[in-house]
Amino acid sequence: AQKITQTQPGMFVQEKEAVTLDCTYDTSDPSYGLFWYKQPSSGEMIFLIYQGSYDQQNATEGRYSLNFQKARKSANLVISASQLGDSAMYFCAMREGNSNNAGNMLTFGGGTRLMVKP
Amino acid sequence: GAVVSQHPSRVICKSGTSVKIECRSLDFQATTMFWYRQFPKKSLMLMATSNEGSKATYEQGVEKDKFLINHASLTLSTLTVTSAHPEDSSFYICSARAPRDTSYEQYFGPGTRLTVT
Repeated sequence: AQKITQTQPGMFVQEKEAVTLDCTYDTSDPSYGLFWYKQPSSGEMIFLIYQGSYDQQNATEGRYSLNFQKARKSANLVISASQLGDSAMYFCAMREGNSNNAGNMLTFGGGTRLMVKP
Repeated sequence: GAVVSQHPSRVICKSGTSVKIECRSLDFQATTMFWYRQFPKKSLMLMATSNEGSKATYEQGVEKDKFLINHASLTLSTLTVTSAHPEDSSFYICSARAPRDTSYEQYFGPGTRLTVT
């Protein structure tokens, strides 16, 4: 079974609007971490945001916020005020185990290609 | 933040030759590094986990003799693709385990695009 599922292979958003990228995950481990990465056409993986399974509040980093719904096992990324430079592939990833296992392997979703329209 | 470099960024080689890709943590020591492979328009697939001073742990389906990993120091891991074939053409990305006091946990290199002709 897929551990990380991103159901939107591609999405369009109008510049300056908000967009939500979906991510659902599957784990039986009570401790885990969820990550979002941006991959522009250059190929580099850019870390965006992190949510720990025991974090009480949704993570936010500037224009990025993570809508963490633990019971539904979803960790959607919300990008507010989209910019043309946001056009890229976006990957959701999960690390199973607690942060003492920081650096345990990451499992990636299939990715969502976001295209921002001017 | 922590920086991870990869060299080369692009390489073209002939079928049957071997290619070495380096992954370096520039400003921190990395006891663990990870090697990923990414096909066009696909996700990252973990190939192996590289631990300094010990043998790499390979994921199921990854040929150990074909993809040789050496983590000889706390700042360098190398991936050697031996007897490369066109189907080995891919984007190879490494990441390094970050110092414990960050939430990033893994820092990614910029990737190496391998083309085997």
